Amino acid sequence: AQSVTQLDSHVSVSEGTPVLLRCNYSSSYSPSLFWYVQHPNKGLQLLLKYTSAATLVKGINGFEAEFKKSETSFHLTKPSAHMSDAAEYFCVVSDRGKGSSNTGKLIFGQGTTLQVKP
Amino acid sequence: KAGVTQTPRYLIKTRGQQVTLSCSPISGHRSVSWYQQTPGQGLQFLFEYFSETQRNKGNFPGRFSGRQFSNSRSEMNVSTLELGDSALYLCASSSQGAGELFFGEGSRLTVL
Repeated sequence: AQSVTQLDSHVSVSEGTPVLLRCNYSSSYSPSLFWYVQHPNKGLQLLLKYTSAATLVKGINGFEAEFKKSETSFHLTKPSAHMSDAAEYFCVVSDRGKGSSNTGKLIFGQGTTLQVKP
Repeated sequence: KAGVTQTPRYLIKTRGQQVTLSCSPISGHRSVSWYQQTPGQGLQFLFEYFSETQRNKGNFPGRFSGRQFSNSRSEMNVSTLELGDSALYLCASSSQGAGELFFGEGSRLTVL
Protein backbone atom coordinates (compact mmCIF):
# COMPACT_ATOMS: atom_id res chain seq x y z
CA ALA A 1 0.00 0.00 0.00
CA GLN A 2 1.15 3.50 -0.69
CA SER A 3 0.93 6.51 1.58
CA VAL A 4 2.41 9.92 2.24
CA THR A 5 2.97 11.72 5.52
CA GLN A 6 3.41 15.44 5.71
CA LEU A 7 5.40 16.11 8.81
CA ASP A 8 4.11 19.62 9.52
CA SER A 9 0.50 20.73 9.47
CA HIS A 10 1.49 24.39 9.61
CA VAL A 11 4.66 26.24 8.60
CA SER A 12 5.23 29.94 9.09
CA VAL A 13 8.05 31.87 7.41
CA SER A 14 8.92 35.48 6.79
CA GLU A 15 8.85 36.87 3.29
CA GLY A 16 12.21 36.43 1.62
CA THR A 17 13.31 33.49 3.79
CA PRO A 18 13.58 29.86 2.66
CA VAL A 19 10.66 27.46 2.67
CA LEU A 20 10.87 23.78 3.61
CA LEU A 21 7.80 21.56 3.57
CA ARG A 22 8.51 17.99 4.56
CA CYS A 23 7.02 14.82 3.15
CA ASN A 24 7.79 11.14 3.66
CA TYR A 25 6.31 8.43 1.50
CA SER A 26 5.72 4.73 1.64
CA SER A 27 5.43 2.73 -1.55
CA SER A 28 5.78 -0.84 -2.70
CA TYR A 29 6.74 0.36 -6.15
CA SER A 30 9.06 3.01 -7.47
CA PRO A 31 6.68 5.87 -6.75
CA SER A 32 5.36 8.75 -8.77
CA LEU A 33 5.29 11.71 -6.41
CA PHE A 34 3.76 15.15 -6.74
CA TRP A 35 3.33 18.39 -4.91
CA TYR A 36 0.08 20.25 -5.41
CA VAL A 37 -0.87 23.69 -4.08
CA GLN A 38 -4.33 24.93 -3.20
CA HIS A 39 -5.10 28.59 -2.71
CA PRO A 40 -8.23 29.53 -0.73
CA ASN A 41 -11.45 28.59 -2.51
CA LYS A 42 -9.55 27.26 -5.48
CA GLY A 43 -8.83 23.89 -6.98
CA LEU A 44 -5.47 22.16 -6.87
CA GLN A 45 -2.55 23.17 -9.06
CA LEU A 46 0.39 20.93 -9.83
CA LEU A 47 3.69 22.39 -8.60
CA LEU A 48 6.02 19.59 -9.68
CA LYS A 49 6.26 15.86 -10.21
CA TYR A 50 8.80 13.08 -9.82
CA THR A 51 8.51 10.09 -12.11
CA SER A 52 11.85 8.27 -11.73
CA ALA A 53 13.93 10.58 -13.88
CA ALA A 54 16.13 13.21 -12.18
CA THR A 55 15.96 13.11 -8.39
CA LEU A 56 15.99 16.91 -8.14
CA VAL A 57 12.77 18.17 -9.64
CA LYS A 58 12.12 21.79 -10.50
CA GLY A 59 8.60 23.12 -10.55
CA ILE A 60 6.72 26.31 -11.07
CA ASN A 61 7.15 29.54 -9.09
CA GLY A 62 10.67 28.67 -7.97
CA PHE A 63 9.77 25.52 -6.04
CA GLU A 64 11.81 22.35 -6.21
CA ALA A 65 11.84 18.98 -4.49
CA GLU A 66 14.41 16.26 -4.06
CA PHE A 67 13.55 12.57 -4.14
CA LYS A 68 15.65 10.67 -1.61
CA LYS A 69 15.00 6.96 -1.77
CA SER A 70 17.24 6.14 1.20
CA GLU A 71 15.21 8.49 3.38
CA THR A 72 11.85 7.88 1.64
CA SER A 73 11.44 11.63 1.50
CA PHE A 74 10.28 14.17 -1.06
CA HIS A 75 10.64 17.54 0.65
CA LEU A 76 9.55 20.75 -1.08
CA THR A 77 11.78 23.81 -0.93
CA LYS A 78 11.94 27.36 -2.18
CA PRO A 79 14.89 29.70 -1.59
CA SER A 80 12.84 32.82 -0.93
CA ALA A 81 9.19 32.94 0.10
CA HIS A 82 6.77 35.40 -1.43
CA MET A 83 3.48 36.55 0.04
CA SER A 84 1.65 34.88 -2.83
CA ASP A 85 3.04 31.50 -1.72
CA ALA A 86 0.68 31.45 1.26
CA ALA A 87 -1.55 28.44 0.58
CA GLU A 88 -2.05 24.80 1.45
CA TYR A 89 0.42 22.32 0.00
CA PHE A 90 -0.20 18.64 -0.57
CA CYS A 91 2.33 15.89 -1.06
CA VAL A 92 0.82 13.19 -3.23
CA VAL A 93 1.68 9.70 -4.43
CA SER A 94 0.07 8.10 -7.43
CA ASP A 95 -1.61 4.79 -6.75
CA ARG A 96 -0.53 2.01 -9.00
CA GLY A 97 -3.03 -0.21 -10.74
CA LYS A 98 -2.56 -3.67 -12.14
CA GLY A 99 0.73 -4.06 -13.92
CA SER A 100 2.20 -1.19 -11.90
CA SER A 101 0.62 1.37 -14.19
CA ASN A 102 -0.38 4.76 -12.91
CA THR A 103 -4.05 5.47 -12.49
CA GLY A 104 -6.15 8.52 -11.78
CA LYS A 105 -6.17 7.65 -8.11
CA LEU A 106 -3.96 9.93 -6.06
CA ILE A 107 -3.22 9.46 -2.39
CA PHE A 108 -2.92 12.79 -0.62
CA GLY A 109 -1.10 13.80 2.50
CA GLN A 110 -3.00 15.77 5.09
CA GLY A 111 -1.63 19.05 3.81
CA THR A 112 0.68 21.75 5.13
CA THR A 113 -0.58 25.30 5.51
CA LEU A 114 2.13 27.77 4.61
CA GLN A 115 1.87 31.18 6.22
CA VAL A 116 4.12 33.96 4.90
CA LYS A 117 4.61 36.93 7.18
CA PRO A 118 5.58 40.34 5.79
CA LYS B 1 -7.29 25.51 -23.88
CA ALA B 2 -10.12 25.54 -21.37
CA GLY B 3 -9.49 23.94 -18.00
CA VAL B 4 -11.65 21.54 -16.04
CA THR B 5 -15.09 23.01 -15.48
CA GLN B 6 -17.33 21.99 -12.61
CA THR B 7 -20.94 22.98 -12.09
CA PRO B 8 -22.53 24.10 -9.95
CA ARG B 9 -19.86 25.85 -7.89
CA TYR B 10 -22.00 26.13 -4.77
CA LEU B 11 -25.15 24.39 -3.69
CA ILE B 12 -27.19 23.86 -0.56
CA LYS B 13 -29.32 20.77 0.03
CA THR B 14 -31.19 19.27 2.93
CA ARG B 15 -30.77 15.84 4.45
CA GLY B 16 -32.38 13.08 2.44
CA GLN B 17 -32.20 14.90 -0.87
CA GLN B 18 -29.97 13.90 -3.73
CA VAL B 19 -27.51 15.93 -5.75
CA THR B 20 -25.83 15.67 -9.14
CA LEU B 21 -22.53 17.39 -9.87
CA SER B 22 -21.10 17.85 -13.33
CA CYS B 23 -17.56 17.93 -14.64
CA SER B 24 -16.28 18.81 -18.09
CA PRO B 25 -12.66 17.69 -18.54
CA ILE B 26 -9.95 19.34 -20.57
CA SER B 27 -10.51 18.68 -24.24
CA GLY B 28 -8.89 15.39 -25.24
CA HIS B 29 -8.66 14.03 -21.70
CA ARG B 30 -10.31 10.66 -21.30
CA SER B 31 -9.82 10.09 -17.59
CA VAL B 32 -11.96 11.85 -14.99
CA SER B 33 -11.50 11.37 -11.26
CA TRP B 34 -13.54 12.67 -8.35
CA TYR B 35 -12.32 13.61 -4.89
CA GLN B 36 -14.02 14.71 -1.70
CA GLN B 37 -12.30 17.31 0.46
CA THR B 38 -13.33 17.91 4.06
CA PRO B 39 -11.47 19.58 6.94
CA GLY B 40 -11.49 16.38 8.96
CA GLN B 41 -10.69 13.73 6.36
CA GLY B 42 -8.71 15.79 3.87
CA LEU B 43 -8.75 14.75 0.22
CA GLN B 44 -10.21 11.34 -0.46
CA PHE B 45 -10.57 9.54 -3.75
CA LEU B 46 -14.11 8.73 -4.82
CA PHE B 47 -13.79 7.10 -8.24
CA GLU B 48 -12.17 7.32 -11.63
CA TYR B 49 -13.69 6.91 -15.06
CA PHE B 50 -11.78 6.21 -18.23
CA SER B 51 -13.52 5.92 -21.59
CA GLU B 52 -16.94 5.60 -19.92
CA THR B 53 -15.83 2.76 -17.63
CA GLN B 54 -15.26 3.00 -13.91
CA ARG B 55 -11.62 2.05 -13.48
CA ASN B 56 -11.13 2.70 -9.78
CA LYS B 57 -13.34 3.19 -6.78
CA GLY B 58 -12.59 4.55 -3.33
CA ASN B 59 -14.08 3.52 0.00
CA PHE B 60 -17.36 5.39 -0.11
CA PRO B 61 -20.86 3.99 0.39
CA GLY B 62 -23.07 3.11 -2.54
CA ARG B 63 -24.92 6.41 -2.16
CA PHE B 64 -22.04 7.90 -4.11
CA SER B 65 -22.12 7.04 -7.78
CA GLY B 66 -20.87 8.42 -11.03
CA ARG B 67 -20.82 8.01 -14.73
CA GLN B 68 -18.96 9.23 -17.77
CA PHE B 69 -20.40 10.06 -21.14
CA SER B 70 -18.99 9.44 -24.59
CA ASN B 71 -17.67 13.03 -24.73
CA SER B 72 -15.74 12.34 -21.47
CA ARG B 73 -17.95 14.64 -19.41
CA SER B 74 -18.71 13.11 -16.05
CA GLU B 75 -21.34 13.37 -13.40
CA MET B 76 -21.40 12.22 -9.83
CA ASN B 77 -24.51 11.67 -7.79
CA VAL B 78 -25.02 11.49 -4.08
CA SER B 79 -28.35 10.13 -2.90
CA THR B 80 -29.98 10.36 0.53
CA LEU B 81 -27.70 13.18 1.60
CA GLU B 82 -26.30 13.24 5.11
CA LEU B 83 -24.82 16.14 7.04
CA GLY B 84 -21.39 14.54 6.70
CA ASP B 85 -21.57 14.82 2.93
CA SER B 86 -20.95 18.54 3.19
CA ALA B 87 -17.66 18.99 1.39
CA LEU B 88 -15.81 20.38 -1.56
CA TYR B 89 -16.08 17.91 -4.42
CA LEU B 90 -13.20 18.16 -6.85
CA CYS B 91 -13.05 16.75 -10.31
CA ALA B 92 -9.78 16.14 -12.12
CA SER B 93 -8.92 15.05 -15.62
CA SER B 94 -5.90 13.60 -17.34
CA SER B 95 -5.08 12.28 -20.76
CA GLN B 96 -4.27 8.73 -19.68
CA GLY B 97 -5.06 8.74 -16.00
CA ALA B 98 -1.31 8.68 -15.55
CA GLY B 99 -0.87 10.45 -12.26
CA GLU B 100 -0.68 14.10 -13.30
CA LEU B 101 -4.18 15.42 -12.82
CA PHE B 102 -5.68 18.77 -13.68
CA PHE B 103 -8.26 19.90 -11.16
CA GLY B 104 -11.35 22.01 -11.42
CA GLU B 105 -12.25 24.57 -8.78
CA GLY B 106 -14.74 22.26 -7.19
CA SER B 107 -18.39 22.15 -6.22
CA ARG B 108 -19.01 23.13 -2.63
CA LEU B 109 -21.94 21.20 -1.20
CA THR B 110 -23.60 22.17 2.04
CA VAL B 111 -26.11 19.77 3.55
CA LEU B 112 -28.48 21.25 6.14
